[in-house]
Amino acid sequence: GNSVTQMEGPVTLSEEAFLTINCTYTATGYPSLFWYVQYPGEGLQLLLKATKADDKGSNKGFEATYRKETTSFHLEKGSVQVSDSAVYFCALGGKTGGGNKLTFGTGTQLKVEL
Amino acid sequence: DTAVSQTPKYLVTQMGNDKSIKCEQNLGHDTMYWYKQDSKKFLKIMFSYNNKELIINETVPNRFSPKSPDKAHLNLHINSLELGDSAVYFCASSHDRYNEQFFGPGTRLTVL
Repeated sequence: GNSVTQMEGPVTLSEEAFLTINCTYTATGYPSLFWYVQYPGEGLQLLLKATKADDKGSNKGFEATYRKETTSFHLEKGSVQVSDSAVYFCALGGKTGGGNKLTFGTGTQLKVEL
Repeated sequence: DTAVSQTPKYLVTQMGNDKSIKCEQNLGHDTMYWYKQDSKKFLKIMFSYNNKELIINETVPNRFSPKSPDKAHLNLHINSLELGDSAVYFCASSHDRYNEQFFGPGTRLTVL
């Protein structure tokens, strides 16, 4: 079946540092890949997505490239801010017979300090 | 505001009780979902409805019963609540069964 593996957190960075959160996946077929972000006490928000190999999703300074050869979708940001502190979830959208079931990674907590 | 909304935001109840969580979306989406997030923040899908039809039903105890009175609503009823049901429950919706999903703010259920 489908699965997503994320690096464990928490990840603690200083403001303006470079961020990488690793995500690898196992899937049959050609899934869509997503990054969701969960700020404290809130629901999940879609951060970015990629629907096919070599696609790059980007939003709010975050980027991730769909790498089929390495089955990866690592999240990067060049300069993080305190407001980026949140839990980040990598997810895989598998087109099952019934619909688009999202399979989530375990989440990576990011803490950005001044 | 266009969004996915859930009520209540917090729900504290005793073991053995029956409770419901309501979800509404005004995004005009056809597909709605329920997810459970455990204490370690792991998210797992429970159910999905497309145009009021059940299309995904994961391995969930029979005590959980979703109901979709129309495309804009998907409610979750839980019978005989157990301690292990304590979690945050998220509702989500998508334009159709293959597009990205938009999540509600969550309902934190605590069973004492």
